Amino acid sequence: GNSVTQMEGPVTLSEEAFLTINCTYTATGYPSLFWYVQYPGEGLQLLLKATKADDKGSNKGFEATYRKETTSFHLEKGSVQVSDSAVYFCALTKWGSTDSWGKLQFGAGTQVVVTP
Amino acid sequence: DAGVTQSPTHLIKTRGQQVTLRCSPKSGHDTVSWYQQALGQGPQFIFQYYEEEERQRGNFPDRFSGHQFPNYSSELNVNALLLGDSALYLCASSQSDRGTEAFFGQGTRLTVV
Repeated sequence: GNSVTQMEGPVTLSEEAFLTINCTYTATGYPSLFWYVQYPGEGLQLLLKATKADDKGSNKGFEATYRKETTSFHLEKGSVQVSDSAVYFCALTKWGSTDSWGKLQFGAGTQVVVTP
Repeated sequence: DAGVTQSPTHLIKTRGQQVTLRCSPKSGHDTVSWYQQALGQGPQFIFQYYEEEERQRGNFPDRFSGHQFPNYSSELNVNALLLGDSALYLCASSQSDRGTEAFFGQGTRLTVV
C-alpha cells in the first residue's frame, strides 16, 4: 500500500536558519504530494502541493520538488522565522483510483521549533 | 467563505458512551473525509462520504459510523467509546471531480475519561 516516511523531530533552529524536512514515499503510479502545516491547537493547513514529477510547489518561502526517481518530496525554507514553529506533515493521495478517491496518507509529522 | 467548520471544538465523554461530531464542508465541495489524529501522530483516514454514501473506509472498527446529508454536511458517530478513542478528529472536504486538495477544519478534540 501507499506510505509516507518523514524525518523525526523535533527540529530546533535559530531564526534565519535554513530548514530541510525530508519526506519519501511509496506508491504505485503518480500520486499527488502535499505538505500540510499544523499550528498548536489548530487543524491542518495546506502549505504546498505538486501533482506530477519535477513539479515544484512553493508558498510563503517554502519549496518542495516532486522527485520521481528518488520518490521524495523534501520541504525547504531558506530563512525560517519564529512564526514557522509548527508541525509539518508530508502526505500523498491518488485521485481517480477506486482504492483512493483522494484519501490522504500522512507521514508522522515533524515538529519544528524556531528560536529567536 | 467560511471554509470547513466542525462542531463542537472540544468534548469530554465517559467510556462506553456515544458521541456525534459534525462537519460542514467548504462551499462548492461535495466530498467529506474524516481523520483521527492521536497525540503526536499523523492523521489516520477513517472514511469518506460522497453522494450520501460511504465511498471508502480505513482500518477502523464498526463502532465508527457516519452520515452525509443532502447539503453535503456530515456526521461522525462513535459508539461504545474507549479511552483510546481520545484524539483530534479532523474533517476534510474536497470537490470530487476536480482532484483538488482537501481543506481541513480546525478539528474536534475528544477526550474519553
